[in-house]
Amino acid sequence: DAGVIQSPRHEVTEMGQEVTLRCKPISGHDYLFWYRQTMMRGLELLIYFNNNVPIDDSGMPEDRFSAKMPNASFSTLKIQPSEPRDSAVYFCASKLRDQETQYFGPGTRLLVL
Amino acid sequence: AQSVSQHNHHVILSEAASLELGCNYSYGGTVNLFWYVQYPGQHLQLLLKYFSGDPLVKGIKGFEAEFIKSKFSFNLRKPSVQWSDTAEYFCAVKGGRRALTFGSGTRLQVQP
Repeated sequence: DAGVIQSPRHEVTEMGQEVTLRCKPISGHDYLFWYRQTMMRGLELLIYFNNNVPIDDSGMPEDRFSAKMPNASFSTLKIQPSEPRDSAVYFCASKLRDQETQYFGPGTRLLVL
Repeated sequence: AQSVSQHNHHVILSEAASLELGCNYSYGGTVNLFWYVQYPGQHLQLLLKYFSGDPLVKGIKGFEAEFIKSKFSFNLRKPSVQWSDTAEYFCAVKGGRRALTFGSGTRLQVQP
C-alpha cells in the first residue's frame, strides 16, 4: 500500500492567496483526519471525517479554513484567504473504523509570506 | 475533556544513555495510549500503543512504555539510545469516542 498521500509537499504563497491542500487516505480506511503542526502549538487536530462526513470541526481555527471529502479517496483542506500565521506543516491521517492506530501522510509544509 | 502533558520539551543525551520521556494524561474513563515518533523531515509513525492487558508495552526499535493507571502516566523508555533515535516524540491519548489528542512533543537529541 502506498500509505497516505499528500500534495503538495511544499507550498509557498503570498498572503491573501487561496491555498488548497490535498490528501488521499489509505484505501479502505473509514476515517480521515487533518492536523496542523507548529512550533508554538504543537500538533493540533483541525477536523476529522467518518465515511466522508465531517464529525468534529471544532479545531478549525476560523472561517478562512474549510475541508471537504467528496469521496472516500480524496479530501481537501482549503485556506482562503491565507495569512502568515497559517504557516505550518499540515498532516493528513487515516484509520480503519475498528482500529485506533492512525497512519500519517508526509505532510504539506506551508509558508505564507 | 481529555488532555496530554509532556513535561520534557527538549532532551539531550549521549549515545548509550538511558531514556525516559514523561507523559501524563487526564481522562476519567478507559483510554487508549500511543507514542508516535517523527524523525527529522519525516511524518509521524507509530512507535507503540496500549489498549488493554499487560501495562508494559514493547514497541519497535527497542522502545517500551509502561501504563500506570494510578498515576495517569504512560512514560516511554529505552535502555540505550542511539544517534538514530534523534527525533521528536509525541504521546497521544484517546478516550471513549473522542478523537486522538496529542501532547506537545519532546525533541530528543542524541549526541554521538
